[in-house]
Order: sequence, then structure tokens, then C-alpha cells
Amino acid sequence: GNSVTQMEGPVTLSEEAFLTINCTYTATGYPSLFWYVQYPGEGLQLLLKATKADDKGSNKGFEATYRKETTSFHLEKGSVQVSDSAVYFCALSEGFSGGGGNKLTFGTGTQLKVEL
Amino acid sequence: EAQVTQNPRYLITVTGKKLTVTCSQNMNHEYMSWYRQDPGLGLRQIYYSMNVEVTDKGDVPEGYKVSRKEKRNFPLILESPSPNQTSLYFCASSFTQGYNEQFFGPGTRLTVL
Repeated sequence: GNSVTQMEGPVTLSEEAFLTINCTYTATGYPSLFWYVQYPGEGLQLLLKATKADDKGSNKGFEATYRKETTSFHLEKGSVQVSDSAVYFCALSEGFSGGGGNKLTFGTGTQLKVEL
Repeated sequence: EAQVTQNPRYLITVTGKKLTVTCSQNMNHEYMSWYRQDPGLGLRQIYYSMNVEVTDKGDVPEGYKVSRKEKRNFPLILESPSPNQTSLYFCASSFTQGYNEQFFGPGTRLTVL
């Protein structure tokens, strides 16, 4: 079955540092890939997505590129802020054509803490 | 405002006492789904529904029931809760055609003693 592996946290960075959160996946088909963010006490929000190989998703200074050859979708940001402190989830979905009804398969989440 | 709402947000109950967590969306989405979030496991799908009166099991359906009598509502029912169902629960919804980004509710934190 499908699976997502992302780096263990927590990750602690100073403000303006460079962020990378690694994510690799295993899928039987051609999934779409997502990064979701969960701020303390809130639900999940879609941060960015990519639907096919070599697509780059970007939002709020975050970027991730769909790399089919390495089955990866690493999240990067050039300069983090304190307000970026949250839990980040990598996820994949094969949509409604892949069975499981658009199920999102999530990684375990990576907690990011940004300090002044 | 387009949103998914869940109630209650927090619930502490005892083993065996039936409970229902409600989920409602105002975006006219056909698809709705329930996930549970546990430390070290991420989110796992419990049940999903493609439309009214159409539901199916996800990865971890044991101990849960759902119903979809109206398009906007998708309640999660625990007929006899047990401590291993202590978790954070999220409802999500999306369209089934075209842009099918899933929108998540704020979560329900359930503790079963």
C-alpha cells in the first residue's frame, strides 16, 4: 500500500534560518503530493501541493518539488519566522481514481519550533 | 464563510457510553471523511462518504459507525467507546470532481476513561 515517511522532529531553528523537512513516499500509482500545516489548537490547512512529476508547489515562501525519480517531496523555506512554528504533514492521494475515495495518506508529522 | 465545523471540540467520557461527534460543511461538497490523529502515527482515515447514503470503510473503521443522510452532515458514532479510541478526530470534505482539495474541521479531542 501507499506510505509516507518524513523526518522526525522536533526541529528547532532560529528566525531567518533555512528550513528543510524531508519527505519520501511509496505509491502504487501516480499520486498527488501535499504539505499540510497544523498550528497549535487548529485543524489542518493545505500549505502547498503538486499533482505530477517535476511540479513545484509554493505558498507563503514555502516550496516543494515533486521528484518522481527519488520519490521525494521535501519542504523548504529560505527564511523561517516565529509564526511558522507548527506541525507539518506530508501527504499523498491518488484521488478518486485510485480507490479509497481520495484518501490522504499522511506522514507522522514534523514539529517545527522557530525561536528569536 | 466556507468551513467545516465539528462538535464538540473537547469531550471526556467513560467506557461504553455511546457518543456522537457531529461534522457539518457549508460548501456543498459531495465527499466527506473522518480521520483520527495519534502521536507517531499521523492521521489515519476511519470512514468516508462519496455522497448521500454512500459510505465506506477507511483504514481504521473498527469501533466506529457513520451515516450520511444529508449532504452537509457526516456524524461519527462511537456506540461503545473504549480507551484506545482516545484521540484527536478530524472531519474533512471536498468536491469529487475538478478541484478536490480537502478542507478540514478544527478537530475534536476525545478522551475515553
